[in-house]
Amino acid sequence: DARVTQTPRHKVTEMGQEVTMRCQPILGHNTVFWYRQTMMQGLELLAYFRNRAPLDDSGMPKDRFSAEMPDATLATLKIQPSEPRDSAVYFCASGLAHANNSPLHFGNGTRLTVT
Amino acid sequence: KQEVTQIPAALSVPEGENLVLNCSFTDSAIYNLQWFRQDPGKGLTSLLLIQSSQREQTSGRLNASLDKSSGRSTLYIAASQPGDSATYLCAVNPWGQNFVFGPGTRLSVLP
Repeated sequence: DARVTQTPRHKVTEMGQEVTMRCQPILGHNTVFWYRQTMMQGLELLAYFRNRAPLDDSGMPKDRFSAEMPDATLATLKIQPSEPRDSAVYFCASGLAHANNSPLHFGNGTRLTVT
Repeated sequence: KQEVTQIPAALSVPEGENLVLNCSFTDSAIYNLQWFRQDPGKGLTSLLLIQSSQREQTSGRLNASLDKSSGRSTLYIAASQPGDSATYLCAVNPWGQNFVFGPGTRLSVLP
């Protein structure tokens, strides 16, 4: 059963520390999304890749966040330095671009707590 | 700019009832629309996907409809069960843009 895998599931860190979250998209999917979910804001799109190229990262605070896809099987989201307001659940999702019958698949998320 | 709203924000029903969740979007130029379920502490699970050329999709006790001209989709759940308790989100995929999610409807089905 193909699934999107995210690590770690939970991360607690102190303010100022670097945080790296990883995502393995479903094999064959060519689009990868990073979302952040909070009670107040709901789901917010942070970054979007197609064929490993970043297409939209306008939702990401550029001074501290960075997203990359070193290869087709790995997407990373880094926060440096982290702040308490970054505490949220971060989701990765993957899909197939230009296939309007292909659903978006989500990982189980990384719950980040910055103290 | 595409905006997605969902009504109601929360819903509590006794087991066995049929129920309807509503999703509205502002721009009818969409590629597809998906309904997701999210359980506490979990990611989103895709329930149904309706392509822009389709009017409805069915899976088991779930039926989703799409009316692009009015910017509406409904998710119908028949014979609700306590295991259906979760948050239900709809997301539209506008042409050439990223998925836009609604805020969700939190459903509680009481035994």
